[in-house]
Amino acid sequence: DSGVTQTPKHLITATGQRVTLRCSPRSGDLSVYWYQQSLDQGLQFLIQYYNGEERAKGNILERFSAQQFPDLHSELNLSSLELGDSALYFCASAEREYNEQFFGPGTRLTVL
Amino acid sequence: GDSVTQMEGPVTLSEEAFLTINCTYTATGYPSLFWYVQYPGEGLQLLLKATKADDKGSNKGFEATYRKETTSFHLEKGSVQVSDSAVYFCALSDLNGNNRLAFGKGNQVVVIP
Repeated sequence: DSGVTQTPKHLITATGQRVTLRCSPRSGDLSVYWYQQSLDQGLQFLIQYYNGEERAKGNILERFSAQQFPDLHSELNLSSLELGDSALYFCASAEREYNEQFFGPGTRLTVL
Repeated sequence: GDSVTQMEGPVTLSEEAFLTINCTYTATGYPSLFWYVQYPGEGLQLLLKATKADDKGSNKGFEATYRKETTSFHLEKGSVQVSDSAVYFCALSDLNGNNRLAFGKGNQVVVIP
C-alpha cells in the first residue's frame, strides 16, 4: 500500500458525459501528478500540481482539467468523453517536487 | 523531448532463468532513471533507481546500471520466480524542474514454473 488513494476504482460512463476522478496523496506530500495509461499511448504524464498550484502540463486534452485543493487532495475532471478516453488513470504523490513518486492503484475509466 | 525505449514484446521464461529487459533513453541532460513494476490489478511500484552515471540500482534481486555512454539502463535478475510475473516499466525523470516521469511502453514478464 503506497498511501495514495484513488476513487472510484472503476467508472463506466457514456460518450459525451463528464466524470471526476479523485486522488488523496500520502500524508505530508505536497506534489500530485496525474498519468493516463492506455493500450495505444502507454503511460503518459498529464498534469502536475504542487501545494495547490499547477506546475506542469503534459499531453492533457483541453477537455480535461484538474485542481488541487487546500487539503492537498486533487481531482481530475474529464468532460465530453470519447471512446478513446477509456484508460487507467493514475495519481502519484511526492513529498516535494523532486522526490520519489508514489502511485495510487488507479481508476479504470470505461467509456461506452 | 526526453523519451524511453524498451525492447518489444512480452518476455516468457522458466523459473530460475536469467532475466534481461533492455531500456535505452534519449535526454538532453542527465536524467534520473527508474524501473517500476506493475502487478496485475495494482498501481506502479518503484523497483529501483539510479540518479547519475555508473550508479547501480538494486532491489529484490533486480539490478540496473546507469550507462551514460550507451544511454541505457537494462534491468537484470539472475534467477526469476513465478512471483516476478508482472509488467516492468523503464522511466526517466524530466529535467525541466517538475520531476514528471516519461515511461517506456513496458514489458510483460511471465515466469512459468
